[in-house]
Amino acid sequence: AQSVSQHNHHVILSEAASLELGCNYSYGGTVNLFWYVQYPGQHLQLLLKYFSGDPLVKGIKGFEAEFIKSKFSFNLRKPSVQWSDTAEYFCAVNARAAGNKLTFGGGTRVLVKP
Amino acid sequence: DGGITQSPKYLFRKEGQNVTLSCEQNLNHDAMYWYRQDPGQGLRLIYYSQIVNDFQKGDIAEGYSVSREKKESFPLTVTSAQKNPTAFYLCATAPPVSAGELFFGEGSRLTVL
Repeated sequence: AQSVSQHNHHVILSEAASLELGCNYSYGGTVNLFWYVQYPGQHLQLLLKYFSGDPLVKGIKGFEAEFIKSKFSFNLRKPSVQWSDTAEYFCAVNARAAGNKLTFGGGTRVLVKP
Repeated sequence: DGGITQSPKYLFRKEGQNVTLSCEQNLNHDAMYWYRQDPGQGLRLIYYSQIVNDFQKGDIAEGYSVSREKKESFPLTVTSAQKNPTAFYLCATAPPVSAGELFFGEGSRLTVL
């Protein structure tokens, strides 16, 4: 079975700082990769996704993620964060052989100080 | 409005009682899912259903039950057999060719007293 690990449980940074959240998965087959975000009091929503092609994918609100197959990683980045980026971020993996089932990482809570 | 409606948003129950969480969708999606969210553990899959009248256990199905009698509805019952039921429960849906992309409801927070 696949598993997903996110390296940091909590991240605190100031506005305009750069953000990078690590995500590694364990599955040897073909995968689809996702980052979801949960803003305070809101439902989970898709930030970005990777299915195939260019391993550098861009999502909403200036976020991007890079798929490195050899490292089984899909790290999320944003060059300059804003206070409104305060949220919990979840990496998720779909093994294509598993249909539509998603396996999630433990989440990273990001607090951006104004 | 199109979307996924979970109810109730907050629920308290005494130990030993069963409770049913509702999930209704009008997105016309075939697949529906129940996840449980606990701090530091992310989301864990409880049950999922790819089609009406069919459902499968996820990774943590013990102590839970579901039904899928209608395409729009996928209620989750938290039974008294669930040892640690206090959690945030999320319902999600997916269209037929979603490749894993899910759409989430706003969640139901269950507290067992």
